[in-house]
Amino acid sequence: QITLKESGPTLVKPTQTLTLTCTFSGFSLSTSGVGVGWIRQPPGKALEWLALIYWDDDKRYSPSLKSRLTITKDTSKNQVVLTMTNMDPVDTATYYCAHSRLEQTGDWFDPWGQGTLVTVSS
Amino acid sequence: QSVLTQPPSASGTPGQRVTISCSGSSSNIGSNTVNWYQQLPGTAPKLLIYSNNQRPSGVPDRFSGSKSGTSASLAISGLQSEDEADYYCAAWDDSLNGRVYVFGTGTKVTVL
Repeated sequence: QITLKESGPTLVKPTQTLTLTCTFSGFSLSTSGVGVGWIRQPPGKALEWLALIYWDDDKRYSPSLKSRLTITKDTSKNQVVLTMTNMDPVDTATYYCAHSRLEQTGDWFDPWGQGTLVTVSS
Repeated sequence: QSVLTQPPSASGTPGQRVTISCSGSSSNIGSNTVNWYQQLPGTAPKLLIYSNNQRPSGVPDRFSGSKSGTSASLAISGLQSEDEADYYCAAWDDSLNGRVYVFGTGTKVTVL
């Protein structure tokens, strides 16, 4: 059974850097085809994809946020870390991490973690 | 900013069929498979349909997906009260910015 859980601060100040950790079980990020992604959702708004890291350390970022995002993995700890610099109140959202696996017909996110709400306020 | 467009809302009475559209372009739906996610109130999204029309284990067969050209659709047959949720389409987009994952604008389904 695959599970993921996000952890990190619930409140950050504007201009600060946010660091979120996704701790997972039930799969290995060293297995070919496997990935872990981050998605966020502002209150009452739609989902927004942020970043994805694959087993081979290939990384993909949302173009609109690429300059502020860094995604890394620690295979030995079963963790993926997302950092976002220069936080702003508009970054207030629930942040989710999710498992991904490359298949012949594509890849998708399944399952997802429970999410963690991050509020940006002074 | 979503590049996949969905109607903001859809509704039906129990037992009815509801269809949700998802409009994209040649760089996303036109060249990659479509996934659908269901988000029940106050919960994390859950994969509902993958690879255009495949259901993960445990998803009722009243949910079905299809794709044609640069558009996709999700159909819910025999609508039930527990289907009241937000639904999002998604696909990879091969643009000048590289390969990015894009979500739709989301559709809120209400069971009347």
